[in-house]
Amino acid sequence: DIQMTQSPSSLSASVGDTVTIACRASQYINIHLNWYQQKPGKAPNLLIYAASNLQVGVSSRFSGSGSGSDFTLSISDLQPEDVAVYYCQQSHSTPCTFGGGTKVEIK
Amino acid sequence: QVQLVQSETEVKKPGASVSISCKTSGYTFSNYTIHWVRQAPGQRLEWLGWINAGSGGTVYSPHFRGRVFFRRDTSASTAYMELGSLRSEDTAVYYCARRHYDVLTGYYLDYWGQGTPVTVSS
Repeated sequence: DIQMTQSPSSLSASVGDTVTIACRASQYINIHLNWYQQKPGKAPNLLIYAASNLQVGVSSRFSGSGSGSDFTLSISDLQPEDVAVYYCQQSHSTPCTFGGGTKVEIK
Repeated sequence: QVQLVQSETEVKKPGASVSISCKTSGYTFSNYTIHWVRQAPGQRLEWLGWINAGSGGTVYSPHFRGRVFFRRDTSASTAYMELGSLRSEDTAVYYCARRHYDVLTGYYLDYWGQGTPVTVSS
């Protein structure tokens, strides 16, 4: 299985800050990397697909980059509604696997 | 609008089986694949496999092969997951999700059900 490692596991930032979450795959996955946001008690919600493509309806404050095995998710102008856990997922090979999550909080 | 609505909470004893339904609407059911993902308390998301809603073809995670079974009812636009030989470690929220596939971008899970909590306890 491809292992997905996210860092940090949690972060706290102020409203208006820009935060960055990293995701590393244990092997090459091209651009087959997706990002999801999960709020407490809710299902995951797709933010970014294929590393850098913004899903329809998602705020442009979210952006993704990377290819190969290293990827990042950035949230600019952090807002209270961004409080959530963020997961990366590789869809390059079966079984698909998810990162351990990054919990984002507001200071 | 696209919706995936799952069946309600389940409580099962060890050794039993659980069946979860995922009723879809707002799109052509047979044109997409449904994935199943679970999340144990405090754990990361874990993929169980998928079913092609058109052909009925399935792929199971090797971690669940032999215990999990997917089927679909195209007339009801509904997918089903059955997990057998339950143990306490199977306590989790189980999600169905629609897969969107493109040859250039690969696949991603663009719509999710609300989740079905399953508790396995004696």
